[in-house]
Amino acid sequence: DSGVTQTPKHLITATGQRVTLRCSPRSGDLSVYWYQQSLDQGLQFLIHYYNGEERAKGNILERFSAQQFPDLHSELNLSSLELGDSALYFCASSVVPSHNEQFFGPGTRLTVL
Amino acid sequence: AQSVAQPEDQVNVAEGNPLTVKCTYSVSGNPYLFWYVQYPNRGLQFLLKYITGDNLVKGSYGFEAEFNKSQTSFHLKKPSALVSDSALYFCAVSDSGAGSYQLTFGKGTKLSVIP
Repeated sequence: DSGVTQTPKHLITATGQRVTLRCSPRSGDLSVYWYQQSLDQGLQFLIHYYNGEERAKGNILERFSAQQFPDLHSELNLSSLELGDSALYFCASSVVPSHNEQFFGPGTRLTVL
Repeated sequence: AQSVAQPEDQVNVAEGNPLTVKCTYSVSGNPYLFWYVQYPNRGLQFLLKYITGDNLVKGSYGFEAEFNKSQTSFHLKKPSALVSDSALYFCAVSDSGAGSYQLTFGKGTKLSVIP
């Protein structure tokens, strides 16, 4: 168990809908990263928050947004969902942004029908 | 841009035999390299990392990796494979651009250890 929690574990929704994925980092970790794993694109970085502020964006669609709250949990919001958004979404945390390892949550599997 | 390549989609090895999962990298500056493992329906688990120092890095579950600067490689190895090692293995590089240190992953290699 990495200490990173993600809810829900599974999410099934329809095209055009909006969903929110939640991540709680390990205790004491200030940095939260979001990654998407799909068969087409593999594992790719979406967005990074550090201590409440956005630090970097990767291949994140404009329909997607995220935030990190004062208690350091983070939410990834996906809107106007398309079939191609079906994927496994991971968050990872680290104490601070550094070259040290990130600790991954179990992921949220999103299925868009 | 930084990148890693895992040239093999799948590696099959007999239980008890040594295993190697290959990774090559392309970075500007110093490489910071990682191996993660993903078991079915699970998140990624950290195995080991190369930051600096010895070219042979030891990690969890008996795995080790050899950093080779001239060949820009960071191959994952284990002297004796177990059936329980069967999983998806990802090589990754840490990108310090913009102070983020996000990970860029290879496409993954599925390791199957045959009893």
